[in-house]
Amino acid sequence: NAGVTQTPKFRVLKTGQSMTLLCAQDMNHEYMYWYRQDPGMGLRLIHYSVGEGTTAKGEVPDGYNVSRLKKQNFLLGLESAAPSQTSVYFCASSYSGIVANQPQHFGDGTRLSIL
Amino acid sequence: DAKTTQPTSMDCAEGRAANLPCNHSTISGNEYVYWYRQIHSQGPQYIIHGLKNNETNEMASLIITEDRKSSTLILPHATLRDTAVYYCIVRLNNAGNMLTFGGGTRLMVKP
Repeated sequence: NAGVTQTPKFRVLKTGQSMTLLCAQDMNHEYMYWYRQDPGMGLRLIHYSVGEGTTAKGEVPDGYNVSRLKKQNFLLGLESAAPSQTSVYFCASSYSGIVANQPQHFGDGTRLSIL
Repeated sequence: DAKTTQPTSMDCAEGRAANLPCNHSTISGNEYVYWYRQIHSQGPQYIIHGLKNNETNEMASLIITEDRKSSTLILPHATLRDTAVYYCIVRLNNAGNMLTFGGGTRLMVKP
């Protein structure tokens, strides 16, 4: 089972460039999430989605956009990359959050450096 | 969501039990206690969760005090592969189902 797959695994961008990170899950999960993790820190939620066609802001949404056109995919976009967005990005998914005790399953991350 | 407090780091000898404490003195009645871990360079991995009763699965045991203000994650026979950062997270029972990660405890299992 693939679980949660993130592409690409690594990427280097120049300031001002744009890119899209892709997250795909094969567990038929309703909820999907994007987090970022800076060195020595815990994860912070950027955006999340409670179902196909819906998205919502998390703790640190500025500078990012997301889309959930298909249930299995959740895209994170950087329109104009800034050095402050250098981080490791993790995607996660879970069953419906209406039932609280559903664990989130994480991908292995995308390491993004912005010069 | 209630705030959690964990020691920054701990050591454990290989083959011994690792007991990781977590304080969550402001926890409310409908908040669950979750434990995740993150092995270097990998995504967080779910370990176990509980509400009131002690829980056990193939990975670990979770002991929650009667007043629910603290809990302990127990890895019964730690191995070198258990070296990781362990996160204790307390969650509200709401539709958002978001996780708020703090600093965690860095567990070093030594031979």
